[in-house]
Amino acid sequence: EDKVVQSPLSLVVHEGDTVTLNCSYEVTNFRSLLWYKQEKKAPTFLFMLTSSGIEKKSGRLSSILDKKELFSILNITATQTGDSAVYLCAVSRRSLVIQGAQKLVFGQGTRLTINP
Amino acid sequence: DAGVIQSPRHEVTEMGQEVTLRCKPISGHNSLFWYRQTMMRGLELLIYFNNNVPIDDSGMPEDRFSAKMPNASFSTLKIQPSEPRDSAVYFCASSLRPGLTEAFFGQGTRLTVV
Repeated sequence: EDKVVQSPLSLVVHEGDTVTLNCSYEVTNFRSLLWYKQEKKAPTFLFMLTSSGIEKKSGRLSSILDKKELFSILNITATQTGDSAVYLCAVSRRSLVIQGAQKLVFGQGTRLTINP
Repeated sequence: DAGVIQSPRHEVTEMGQEVTLRCKPISGHNSLFWYRQTMMRGLELLIYFNNNVPIDDSGMPEDRFSAKMPNASFSTLKIQPSEPRDSAVYFCASSLRPGLTEAFFGQGTRLTVV
């Protein structure tokens, strides 16, 4: 069975702190790993990672994938109150049945709260 | 493009009633996913389609749930009969080339079964 496990489930820090969110996975036919941010409504896309060791960066957010150890981290530096959200990790795996089809499975999410 | 469009945004229904949720994916996207989100279980994949064909419905909770995708621009998720434990936010997402491009989410349907 596909597994995507995120840790911690909840994190409270002060504005300006740096945080690291973790995502480990066990899937067959792995294709890519994605990070999403969810505030009050729909998840919004942050990063897609397909290769090990290559850091993706967007402003204060960065992420890296380790395909050997089957995990990814999402770093946020100099956190701001606007970073408060649930951060979701998802893994895309190839279908065992239909070529070209991909299954997207999510972890439980990490609820990040940034206090001023 | 307006993005993934879901309707209704909110639905309150009585136990035992039939509920139909609707989704219009982004034009040109060939994969469509239905998810259910609750505080306890997070974002669960219910079913996904590729080129309108259901690929994996192993996440559908039970026979009361069914999903269809009659064409590339429309999908429905039906619950019949509905139960209070079905109360959740249901999201639809679509992707152009899953695994290579990200999935885009609709705004969700908040379902309350009383």
